[in-house]
Amino acid sequence: DIQMTQSPSSLSATVGDRVTITCRASQSISTYLTWYQQKPGKAPKLLIYAASTLKSGVPSRFSGSGSGTHFTLTITSLQPDDFATYFCQQSYNTLFTFGPGTKVDIK
Amino acid sequence: QVQLQESGPGLVKPSETLSLICNVSGGSMSGYQWSWLRQAPAKGLEWIGYVYSSGSTNYNPSLKSRVTISIDSSKNQFSLKLSFVTAADTAIYFCAAYEMQHGYFDPWGQGTLVTVSS
Repeated sequence: DIQMTQSPSSLSATVGDRVTITCRASQSISTYLTWYQQKPGKAPKLLIYAASTLKSGVPSRFSGSGSGTHFTLTITSLQPDDFATYFCQQSYNTLFTFGPGTKVDIK
Repeated sequence: QVQLQESGPGLVKPSETLSLICNVSGGSMSGYQWSWLRQAPAKGLEWIGYVYSSGSTNYNPSLKSRVTISIDSSKNQFSLKLSFVTAADTAIYFCAAYEMQHGYFDPWGQGTLVTVSS
């Protein structure tokens, strides 16, 4: 299995902050990396795929970068709607695996 | 815009079979891998498996011996059966469409909580 890790596991931030979340894969996954946002009681929502491609309709304050084993999700100016948990997911092989999540809450 | 909705019992007894259905509306079932995932309480996401529109399947090896995913395109639905459940199978179960070209799950159903308890 390809193991996905994320850091930090949680962070506290205020509206307007720049937030960066890191996702690492246990082996190279090229750019087969997707980011999701999940709010309590809801299904995950697709934000970014292929490491850096923003899904249509997702605000441009979200961006993704990286390749190989190291990836980042950046929110340039945190908005109230962005307080949520963020997961990464690899699709390099068909045993799809997810990171444990990073919870972003209000400072 | 494809939409998915899970349905099925919210309570299953230990050693019995968990059965869920995902209804797909708003689009064709071709072109996706129709997937099931789960999220145990306060835990991360686990991919269970998928079924193609052709009926071929791929399962997570950790669950493969207990999982069956099937599709009924005439009814625009696919289903999950997980046998010999234990308390460790208590989770929110999601159905989702897996887009093969870019490797993402989208859209997702709202999720349904299944509790394994006697």
